[in-house]
Amino acid sequence: AQSVSQHNHHVILSEAASLELGCNYSYGGTVNLFWYVQYPGQHLQLLLKYFSGDPLVKGIKGFEAEFIKSKFSFNLRKPSVQWSDTAEYFCAVKANNNDMRFGAGTRLTVKP
Amino acid sequence: EAQVTQNPRYLITVTGKKLTVTCSQNMNHEYMSWYRQDPGLGLRQIYYSMNVEVTDKGDVPEGYKVSRKEKRNFPLILESPSPNQTSLYFCASQKRWGEPQETQYFGPGTRLLVL
Repeated sequence: AQSVSQHNHHVILSEAASLELGCNYSYGGTVNLFWYVQYPGQHLQLLLKYFSGDPLVKGIKGFEAEFIKSKFSFNLRKPSVQWSDTAEYFCAVKANNNDMRFGAGTRLTVKP
Repeated sequence: EAQVTQNPRYLITVTGKKLTVTCSQNMNHEYMSWYRQDPGLGLRQIYYSMNVEVTDKGDVPEGYKVSRKEKRNFPLILESPSPNQTSLYFCASQKRWGEPQETQYFGPGTRLLVL
């Protein structure tokens, strides 16, 4: 079964700083990749997803992620974070067996 | 509005007192799932259902039951809750099983405290 690793547990940035959250997965076959965001007290919302094609995927709110197959990675990026980006971010992987696996999450705190 | 709803949103109970958390979706989705979210562990799947009357265990099914009598509802039942079931629970739905590209939609979560 596939597994997902998010190495950063808590990231603290100042507004306007650039963001990169790491996500690595272990699965040798075809995967579908997702990033979800959970704002304080709210449910998970889809930020972006990758199925095939261009490995650079653009999502909502200025986020993007790059799929690097050789590194089994799907890192999330944003050039300039805002205080409103404070949230928890989850990477998820779905293989062809349709099972969805989530990473442990990365808590992002943006200081105003 | 397309959504997944859960009730209650917050619940405090005592060990051994049976409880049910309801989940309902209005998107005519076939696939539904329950997760629990614990600090440092992310979301772990408890049970899922591919369609009406079809359910199966996820990664952490012990202590839980589910049923899928109707397409829109997927209640989570704790027959005899224990303190280690204190957690944040999410219900999710997806259009169809077997389509990995489908997005899962999540409910607002139910925060459960078992004393």
